[in-house]
Formats: sequence, structure tokens, C-alpha cells
Amino acid sequence: GENVEQHPSTLSVQEGDSAVIKCTYSDSASNYFPWYKQELGKGPQLIIDIRSNVGEKKDQRIAVTLNKTAKHFSLHITETQPEDSAVYFCAASSRGSQGNLIFGKGTKLSVKP
Amino acid sequence: DAGVIQSPRHEVTEMGQEVTLRCKPISGHDYLFWYRQTMMRGLELLIYFNNNVPIDDSGMPEDRFSAKMPNASFSTLKIQPSEPRDSAVYFCASSILMGQGGEKLFFGSGTQLSVL
Repeated sequence: GENVEQHPSTLSVQEGDSAVIKCTYSDSASNYFPWYKQELGKGPQLIIDIRSNVGEKKDQRIAVTLNKTAKHFSLHITETQPEDSAVYFCAASSRGSQGNLIFGKGTKLSVKP
Repeated sequence: DAGVIQSPRHEVTEMGQEVTLRCKPISGHDYLFWYRQTMMRGLELLIYFNNNVPIDDSGMPEDRFSAKMPNASFSTLKIQPSEPRDSAVYFCASSILMGQGGEKLFFGSGTQLSVL
């Protein structure tokens, strides 16, 4: 089955700097890669996703890149702000496999003012 | 829409007691998922339903765990009897099938369960 590894487990940056979180997956059939943000006391919220037919996707200060050959994908946050502080999860699933979204273990991002 | 609604937000119980967690999915969503979150194991899928029918319960840890979805707007996760190792945050999520595969999950705020 699919296995998703996420690094680093914790990340601390200064406000205004960039943050990068990396994930690798094992199942070459995986074709959907979402990222979720979890704030304290809340459930995870989808912030951006990418499909295997796309190499990069941007949404304001957030971008995700995908390298299918190497089976890894990354989340990039530019001009970080204190409100970006949260736990971020990557995930992977394969076409036609509704319900088999496999999550990474999460990265706790701290943005220092 | 109010989003996915879970109750209670916090539950403290004693070992051996029955625990029932409740979830109301987003109206119109035809998939409902129950996840468990712990520091050690992260987010684990326990079971999911499609159109109120359980599709995959392979993540349910033991027979002590059971889940039902009597209608499109309500689901329960029951633990009987509860044990200290069941202490975790339990999330309910709902989604609607996307044409290209994969799903965008909408999570509730979770139930923090503590079994003493």
C-alpha cells in the first residue's frame, strides 16, 4: 500500500522568510496530492492540491511542486506570517480509490515575529 | 453551510464505559470518513461510508469499535468498552466525489477523547 513520508517534523522560520516542507510517496499509481493545514484545536483544512498531470501549482503565497519520477512533492510558503503557524500535512491517493487518502505525519511550522 | 459538525468536543470517561461520538456531514456530500489522530500514528482512517453504506472498515482497530450511518445527515462512532489506549482526537470528514479521482475532505473540529 501507499506510504507517505514527510520532512521535517518541525520547522521554525522568521517572519518574511520562506518555508519548504517535503514529502515522498511509494505508490507510483498515486495521482492526487493535497496539503492540509491544521490550527490548534481545529480539524485539518485543505489549502492546496495538485494532480499528477501538473508539475507546479500556485495560490498567492503558497505553491506546490510535484516530481513524479522521483515520487516527491513539496509545499512552499513565501513571505511567511505568524498566522501561517500550524501543523501541515501532505497526503497522496490514487485514481479511483476514493477513501484511501494516506497522510504524512505532519510538520509543525512556527513563524517567529 | 455550517460545515461538518461533531459532538461532543471533549469526552472524558472511565475505562470500560461506552463512548459514542457523533457527526453531521455537509449537506450533499456523499462520502463520510472517520479518522483518529494521535502523536504516534498521525491521522489514521478508521472507516468510510458512501451513500450511507460502509465501504472500507479495515482501519477499525478492534471489534470494540463500530460505526453507523443511519441516514445521509448523521453518523456515529461507538467504542464499547473503552480503554485508555483509545485516547485520541477523533475526526469526522465528508466529501463529494471529484471526477478526476481523489477527494477534497472537509473535516469537523474533532472530539478529544480521554479514557482514564
